[in-house]
Amino acid sequence: QQQVKQSPQSLIVQKGGISIINCAYENTAFDYFPWYQQFPGKGPALLIAIRPDVSEKKEGRFTISFNKSAKQFSLHIMDSQPGDSATYFCAALQGGTYKYIFGTGTRLKVLA
Amino acid sequence: GAGVSQSPSNKVTEKGKDVELRCDPISGHTALYWYRQSLGQGLEFLIYFQGNSAPDKSGLPSDRFSAERTGGSVSTLTIQRTQQEDSAVYLCASSPILGGNTGELFFGEGSRLTVL
Repeated sequence: QQQVKQSPQSLIVQKGGISIINCAYENTAFDYFPWYQQFPGKGPALLIAIRPDVSEKKEGRFTISFNKSAKQFSLHIMDSQPGDSATYFCAALQGGTYKYIFGTGTRLKVLA
Repeated sequence: GAGVSQSPSNKVTEKGKDVELRCDPISGHTALYWYRQSLGQGLEFLIYFQGNSAPDKSGLPSDRFSAERTGGSVSTLTIQRTQQEDSAVYLCASSPILGGNTGELFFGEGSRLTVL
C-alpha cells in the first residue's frame, strides 16, 4: 500500500516559534516530495518541494529536511507568523507516474 | 492568467439525488485530477485524465461516481444517487506535463457538497 503518514494532525505554535511537521513513507520508488499549503476556502498550493538527492532545501522561512535512509521528511517553518496558519499536506510522487499520494494534513495555528 | 475554476462552489442536495461538479482547468494543462477532501482524511485521489489516454479511474469509490473530460479541457464529475458519506469538498487540479513528467498541481477552490 502506497501511503504517506503525516504528523501531527494539528499544531499550535507561538508567533516567532518553529513549526515542524513530519512525514514518513514506505515506497522507495518515490522521488519527488512536495508540500502543499491550504488556506480555508482555498485549494492547496505548492509551497516547497524536494528530491531525494539532497538532504535539505530552504526557501525563505520554509525548509524541507529529508532523511532518505529513514524514509522521512519534514517541513520546518522558522519564525512562524499568524499568516502561516493553514493546513499543510505532504505528498510523494513516484518517477514516471502521475498519482500524487498525499498525507492526511496538519492544521497549523500560529498564535499572535 | 486564470486559474482552475470549479463550479458550483457549494452544493446542498438530498440523499438519492444526482449531482454534477464542473472543472475548468488552466489552459494548456493536459493533465487533470479530481480529489476528494473529507475532514481528517487528507486528499483522496479519485480520477486522472491525461491527453487522449484512457483515464485512471482507480480511485473512484463506487460505480455511482463517474467523470468525463470533453475536448481535453472541461471535466465533469457526476455522483449518482448521492449518499450522506459523499459529503466532502471535491477538488480539481490541473498540471502541465513537462518532459514526460507530471508537474506541479494547480488546484481549484473546490466544490463543497453536502448531502442531507
